[in-house]
Amino acid sequence: DAGVTQSPTHLIKTRGQQVTLRCSPKSGHDTVSWYQQALGQGPQFIFQYYEEEERQRGNFPDRFSGHQFPNYSSELNVNALLLGDSALYLCASSPRRLTGATYNSPLHFGNGTRLTVT
Amino acid sequence: QQPVQSPQAVILREGEDAVINCSSSKALYSVHWYRQKHGEAPVFLMILLKGGEQKGHEKISASFNEKKQQSSLYLTASQLSYSGTYFCGTPSGTRNQFYFGTGTSLTVIP
Repeated sequence: DAGVTQSPTHLIKTRGQQVTLRCSPKSGHDTVSWYQQALGQGPQFIFQYYEEEERQRGNFPDRFSGHQFPNYSSELNVNALLLGDSALYLCASSPRRLTGATYNSPLHFGNGTRLTVT
Repeated sequence: QQPVQSPQAVILREGEDAVINCSSSKALYSVHWYRQKHGEAPVFLMILLKGGEQKGHEKISASFNEKKQQSSLYLTASQLSYSGTYFCGTPSGTRNQFYFGTGTSLTVIP
């Protein structure tokens, strides 16, 4: 049973560029959320997707956008990269449709994508 | 809205006990606990879904006081493998955002 998979594992970009990160949820999970974790900090909620729509958004600018596909996989896009966007980006999945609620079951995390902006 | 954890850091010898607290200024609807080792993803420990609930997982247990808007994680007879950063997490008032706490770094030494 494959867990949450994220790609790529590492990425180096230049300021002003755009980046796309990918996430495949754990089998049986329909909800994907994205988190940004700066060095030494806790994960910060970016947004959550289920039923192919963004359902809730944290305190992140519009440069951060996403998408969820019919197979529940998801992408995180960041435009006009800033040095401050350097962080570990984590994807988490959960089985919302099984519990009827978003956070009544564990979040399963992928190993993350380490983004470095130079 | 980020829950505050205490202590920020703790160092234990193998076999000692520890308590990590998580407090919120907002109402807590449920509390998750995760452990993250250096360079790895957070790993789920347990969820408490209602006030008064207590759960145990081997030598790790937790309690949830809904009225006090706080939760505590108890680690007993600590092992070297318990080292890592512990985060509590909770949905926001709208229940669709999720906030991790400030984190507690726990180091277990021989």
